[in-house]
Formats: sequence, structure tokens, C-alpha cells
Amino acid sequence: EPEVTQTPSHQVTQMGQEVILRCVPISNHLYFYWYRQILGQKVEFLVSFYNNEISEKSEIFDDQFSVERPDGSNFTLKIRSTKLEDSAMYFCASSIGGNQPQHFGDGTRLSIL
Amino acid sequence: SQQGEEDPQALSIQEGENATMNCSYKTSINNLQWYRQNSGRGLVHLILIRSNEREKHSGRLRVTLDTSKKSSSLLITASRAADTASYFCATDANDYKLSFGAGTTVTVRA
Repeated sequence: EPEVTQTPSHQVTQMGQEVILRCVPISNHLYFYWYRQILGQKVEFLVSFYNNEISEKSEIFDDQFSVERPDGSNFTLKIRSTKLEDSAMYFCASSIGGNQPQHFGDGTRLSIL
Repeated sequence: SQQGEEDPQALSIQEGENATMNCSYKTSINNLQWYRQNSGRGLVHLILIRSNEREKHSGRLRVTLDTSKKSSSLLITASRAADTASYFCATDANDYKLSFGAGTTVTVRA
């Protein structure tokens, strides 16, 4: 069964450094999402992306965050200058359309030192 | 807030028993989705129920939706040790994002 893949599985970065998290959504899906889950807390929506533009973003997704679909397969989340509070599990998801199941990757655990 | 809230927070049952968990939410939705998360792993999609549906089945899973009460339930029948996980409901109000609850942690004892 097709699945969403994320790399790396674990990223350790110094505070203030830039980090790029990568995702390969399911190939025929058109909607892409990023969520995060701080340890012990709820899964939080960050951003959704459709037709090469952001559809919706949360308050968390400030100017330090950006998303890109650089080619036909990858979907990336960039954090420009990481902070300690950015430490979390970041999940990528995709769906074939609106009002359809969202399928999640296994996540990237981001640790900021 | 749109978020779903699950009840109970934790559930411990014997293998073979049924597990029921509930989800409440606050505003109108397009659909409600249930996910499973094993410790340290990603979210596995279980079932989606749309706002015009009242009940759906998938294998040992049964989901109900009552839009008048803004609530949903997930029933796992004949539980197995492998069902041990956290279960989340997530509401979709606008096709662009899911709002998750805090989850129910289910432990199935052998």
C-alpha cells in the first residue's frame, strides 16, 4: 500500500540553525500538510498546501517556517532559525482531496540543543 | 476551538473484551476521522465518517457520529494485545486541516 515517507527520522540541531524536514507524499495525492506533536501533547496543525500554495496555516506557522514543493514528489518544511521550543515530532500528511482521509508519515523527531 | 476531546483518557481491558471511546467537538464539521498511534510512531488512519453519515464499520471497528450532540464513538470489538495504542479523533471543518483531541490510551491485557 502506498505510504507517506519522511526523512530523516531523527534530526538534532543547534539552536539558531536552519533545518529542512523532507516528505514524499503519496503520489496521486493533491493536498499536503504538516503537523507537529510536542512530547506528551496533542497533535497540532501547522500548514496545508494545495495547488502550489498555502491553503491555511496556524498561529504556530510564523515567519520562521516555510513550505515548498520543489519538484513533483517532495514536500519540505523549513525552519529558518530554530528555537528550543521547536523540539517536537513533525508529521507530514497527504490526502487525495478535501473531505478525504489524511495519511501520515512516521514523523521526524526534531531535537534542538 | 474546533478540537475533538476524547473520553476516557485511559482504558484498560482484557483481551477479547470490547473497548469504547468517545469524542466530543464544538463546531460544525465536514468529517471526523479516527487514528491510532503506537508509542513513538506515526498516526495510522482508521476510519473517516462524514457529517451526513451516522455509522460506519471497518473490520472490528465501529464508528458512530451524532452531529446533533456533536459527538462520535469508536468501538473496537474482540480486542487483541496488538490494539494497545493511543486513539485520537480528529475533526475536519474546512478540508484544509484536522483538529486533534488529546487521545485515549488503550491497554489490552493478555
